[in-house]
Amino acid sequence: KAGVTQTPRYLIKTRGQQVTLSCSPISGHRSVSWYQQTPGQGLQFLFEYFSETQRNKGNFPGRFSGRQFSNSRSEMNVSTLELGDSALYLCASSLSGRAGEQYFGPGTRLTVT
Amino acid sequence: AQRVTQPEKLLSVFKGAPVELKCNYSYSGSPELFWYVQYSRQRLQLLLRHISRESIKGFTADLNKGETSFHLKKPFAQEEDSAMYYCALSHSGNTPLVFGKGTRLSVIA
Repeated sequence: KAGVTQTPRYLIKTRGQQVTLSCSPISGHRSVSWYQQTPGQGLQFLFEYFSETQRNKGNFPGRFSGRQFSNSRSEMNVSTLELGDSALYLCASSLSGRAGEQYFGPGTRLTVT
Repeated sequence: AQRVTQPEKLLSVFKGAPVELKCNYSYSGSPELFWYVQYSRQRLQLLLRHISRESIKGFTADLNKGETSFHLKKPFAQEEDSAMYYCALSHSGNTPLVFGKGTRLSVIA
């Protein structure tokens, strides 16, 4: 079966702009989680959506938001971009949200200039 | 607060030598512990979890609640083991995962 896909794979934005990243989970998976990966902070949890509802949220400012559609595809949005938002954004899907059953996507590399 | 510490950023070993990647955690409850691996140009993937008590690709990890550790071990390293390894914990096995900062393992031929 097809794996988790993320689009776009690479993105360059200017400080102050906003950006939307997309994640398509494995067919049948209802849980989508987002993580931010940076050299300094490592992998940090952003939020999890399950059946279109945000079920968990990490410690990130309100500029980071997300949503999930009825087909389980998810988007995350970052408004008023800052240089520190430059990172690899990973999404992971699972059937029910079990941590050990998550499949990760390839990530979207966001560069803020 | 939940925290996962991987004290080594880089670990280099010779092929055939034993490997131990260290992981310590702090958590007030009973966490589930995992090891994830990312090979070059591949996705992050689950290597093993403590509740399974299994050996994957020759790797094992034992949860030591007294020392709050979950070290990853392999008796004989192979070149294909070279990768980035992340230790992670979760509350009762559910999202979210709390990751350590990772250890890069380099196996030298």
